[in-house]
Amino acid sequence: EAGVTQSPTHLIKTRGQQATLRCSPISGHTSVYWYQQALGLGLQFLLWYDEGEERNRGNFPPRFSGRQFPNYSSELNVNALELEDSALYLCASIPRGIVEAFFGQGTRLTVV
Amino acid sequence: AQSVTQLGSHVSVSEGALVLLRCNYSSSVPPYLFWYVQYPNQGLQLLLKYTSAATLVKGINGFEAEFKKSETSFHLTKPSAHMSDAAEYFCAVTPWNQGGKLIFGQGTELSVKP
Repeated sequence: EAGVTQSPTHLIKTRGQQATLRCSPISGHTSVYWYQQALGLGLQFLLWYDEGEERNRGNFPPRFSGRQFPNYSSELNVNALELEDSALYLCASIPRGIVEAFFGQGTRLTVV
Repeated sequence: AQSVTQLGSHVSVSEGALVLLRCNYSSSVPPYLFWYVQYPNQGLQLLLKYTSAATLVKGINGFEAEFKKSETSFHLTKPSAHMSDAAEYFCAVTPWNQGGKLIFGQGTELSVKP
């Protein structure tokens, strides 16, 4: 069974640009979570999608947004990139009725 | 708001020694608790989880953790450290009624000396 897959693995953008990160959950998992792991700030909850709807978001500005598609895959969009957005972005999926999260390998976003 | 505190951002042990990584949580209601491990440039792998069943939880790679409600603790232990255990370890809690959202501790980097 394939795990959670994220693409791209690395992404380099210039300040002010937009970045799009993608996540494919494990087959049958309906919930997708996004986390940011920035140096010195630890792992921070970003967004939670379930059944195509945004269910919760962390303490991040509106330029962090995303969506979940009918096949439960998800995109994270970061607009107007700032240097501080450089981080590892992790996606996790959870099956219905279970609380155990399965993580992807992450996308390393570097803003220069 | 719930929080998780990991005591010690860096722990160093000798190969074969006991590993003890400390985690305390703040919650009036026992939540779900997890320990994850992260190897360099990789995602998170679940070591073990507490979901209100047995208070002593056994996980992968010889790790175990004990849930102590009176101390609001969920410390991770391993009797004998291996070089391959060197990694960063995260304790996390899932609050009630927030799906699977995880609140992480700051992480503890474990070094294992030969």
